[in-house]
Amino acid sequence: GNSVTQMEGPVTLSKEAFLTINCTYTATGYPSLFWYVQYPGEGLQLLLKATKADDKGSNKGFEATYRKETTSFHLEKGSVQVSDSAVYFCALSVNTNAGKSTFGDGTTLTVKP
Amino acid sequence: NAGVTQTPKFQVLKTGQSMTLQCAQDMNHNSMYWYRQDPGMGLRLIYYSASEGTTDKGEVPNGYNVSRLNKREFSLRLESAAPSQTSVYFCASSGEQGVEAFFGQGTRLTVV
Repeated sequence: GNSVTQMEGPVTLSKEAFLTINCTYTATGYPSLFWYVQYPGEGLQLLLKATKADDKGSNKGFEATYRKETTSFHLEKGSVQVSDSAVYFCALSVNTNAGKSTFGDGTTLTVKP
Repeated sequence: NAGVTQTPKFQVLKTGQSMTLQCAQDMNHNSMYWYRQDPGMGLRLIYYSASEGTTDKGEVPNGYNVSRLNKREFSLRLESAAPSQTSVYFCASSGEQGVEAFFGQGTRLTVV
């Protein structure tokens, strides 16, 4: 079956620090990969995505590269802000229905001023 | 631009009571989904509907039923609520090309 493993949280960083949240996956077939973000009291929203090997997804200063050889999709940001505090979910989908995805457990990020 | 709308936002039930969670999307998406979110367990798929008139079980369907009333609406029903169903429930939808999923803001359900 399909699975997603995220680095365990919570993660606490100071403002302007470098962020990495690790994500590895196992999948049958050829998945698309996603990072979603959930702000307090809200639903998930797509942060970035990549649909094939070596693609780099980017948005709001966040980046992740689809690495087929290491089955990874690590999330990075060079300088985090307090407003980046949220829960981050790595996910994969192996068919065209993106909502029918497999999610990681989520990583809670807190950025201190 | 409402996107995916869920009601209610909060609900407290007694064990054995029934209720229906409502979900509607205005993006003309074919596919709709119900997830539950529990601490430390990520999101787990309860049921999904790939198109109007079809529904399929997900990872954790026991204790739930769904109805795809029309293309816009997808409801989740708890016939006899149990404390194990205390969770946050999310509805989501995705379009024909299906790359991005859109989520509602969630329903926080407590069963006492």
